[in-house]
Amino acid sequence: NAGVTQTPKFQVLKTGQSMTLQCAQDMNHEYMSWYRQDPGMGLRLIHYSVGAGITDQGEVPNGYNVSRSTTEDFPLRLLSAAPSQTSVYFCASSYATSGSYNSPLHFGNGTRLTVT
Amino acid sequence: KNEVEQSPQNLTAQEGEFITINCSYSVGISALHWLQQHPGGGIVSLFMLSSGKKKHGRLIATINIQEKHSSLHITASHPRDSAVYICAVGRGTASKLTFGTGTRLQVTL
Repeated sequence: NAGVTQTPKFQVLKTGQSMTLQCAQDMNHEYMSWYRQDPGMGLRLIHYSVGAGITDQGEVPNGYNVSRSTTEDFPLRLLSAAPSQTSVYFCASSYATSGSYNSPLHFGNGTRLTVT
Repeated sequence: KNEVEQSPQNLTAQEGEFITINCSYSVGISALHWLQQHPGGGIVSLFMLSSGKKKHGRLIATINIQEKHSSLHITASHPRDSAVYICAVGRGTASKLTFGTGTRLQVTL
């Protein structure tokens, strides 16, 4: 199993450009999520999904869109990049369902995004 | 006040030392996670616990629900243990976690 695969590893955007960060998992996990990690702050939840066709906002959703058309894939879209979105982004997945919160998270290797 | 507080923020130890990293939280939780982030950036789940104690190799995690406190212990520390250790608490639905800011550990020879 490849686990959680994130692409790209690095990306530089100009202000106003759009892009999609890809995330795929091959563990048949129901729960997938996107986090951003900024210096001096803990990981913050952007969006999450508890299954195909179901998404919801996390703590810092503004400027980002997600969709979950399949169990495996959970792409994160930046609609119009801003310097404040410069960060390291992590995708994660777990078995957790709506009735079971206690499952370990499996993380991708991260995407380092710089917006100039 | 952050919901999840870790201490210390930075820790330097010599190889072989016993290490303790602390995590305190201010809300009721369903589970607490300990994660390890290596210098390359990848994040690995070490433990998930909701009561008592868990052990894996040289790592031990404990939690005291009444005191809202957890500790991560590393016995016989080694330079390869150098990493950032992150505490996260889960509550509510769908594994939404609140993360601490991490403890940066450096183990020297």
